[in-house]
Amino acid sequence: GAVVSQHPSWVICKSGTSVKIECRSLDFQATTMFWYRQFPKQSLMLMATSNEGSKATYEQGVEKDKFLINHASLTLSTLTVTSAHPEDSSFYICSAPGGGLAGIIYNEQFFGPGTRLTVL
Amino acid sequence: GENVEQHPSTLSVQEGDSAVIKCTYSDSASNYFPWYKQELGKRPQLIIDIRSNVGEKKDQRIAVTLNKTAKHFSLHITETQPEDSAVYFCAASLFSGGYNKLIFGAGTRLAVHP
Repeated sequence: GAVVSQHPSWVICKSGTSVKIECRSLDFQATTMFWYRQFPKQSLMLMATSNEGSKATYEQGVEKDKFLINHASLTLSTLTVTSAHPEDSSFYICSAPGGGLAGIIYNEQFFGPGTRLTVL
Repeated sequence: GENVEQHPSTLSVQEGDSAVIKCTYSDSASNYFPWYKQELGKRPQLIIDIRSNVGEKKDQRIAVTLNKTAKHFSLHITETQPEDSAVYFCAASLFSGGYNKLIFGAGTRLAVHP
């Protein structure tokens, strides 16, 4: 089956620093990837759609200058949290739709393992 | 935009009983409805899904029903076991702004007591 990896799995940083999170599709190509944020005991909230070869599409209320997304290749998308603050501490999860009819029309997605960010 | 509501927020059952979680969606154009199980600190795991051209789907102890007219879909777990304890999320997929998006419900924390 399709596998999505994320790196790092967890990161602790000081307030004001930037953190980069990588999302890779290991055995398939993904022209689109999705980034979600999940606060404790809450649901997954879509932050942005990452598009290979073009700019990311951000959801309403998500600061594009704070959460920089780069879809460098057909298997890699990165999310950089710039000037991180304690309120950015969260579980960040990426996903990618599979190929074929299931992925393109019905948007079946494969999730990465998530990255837990703690900003001190 | 699409809005997905999920009920109940918590559900406690005895082992062997059935559990039902319900979701409603707002956009009639949504065409795909997956259910995910998430354990603490882990990724969501797809447990079952249903497409808009199907009314019901079953996989062993798990079933999902879809009522497109009423815009609601439900997850049914029979013969629950303690290992079914987790948070369950419903989602609806909608093509919007040129992309397919998954919109998640708020989640249901299921506790199965031995």
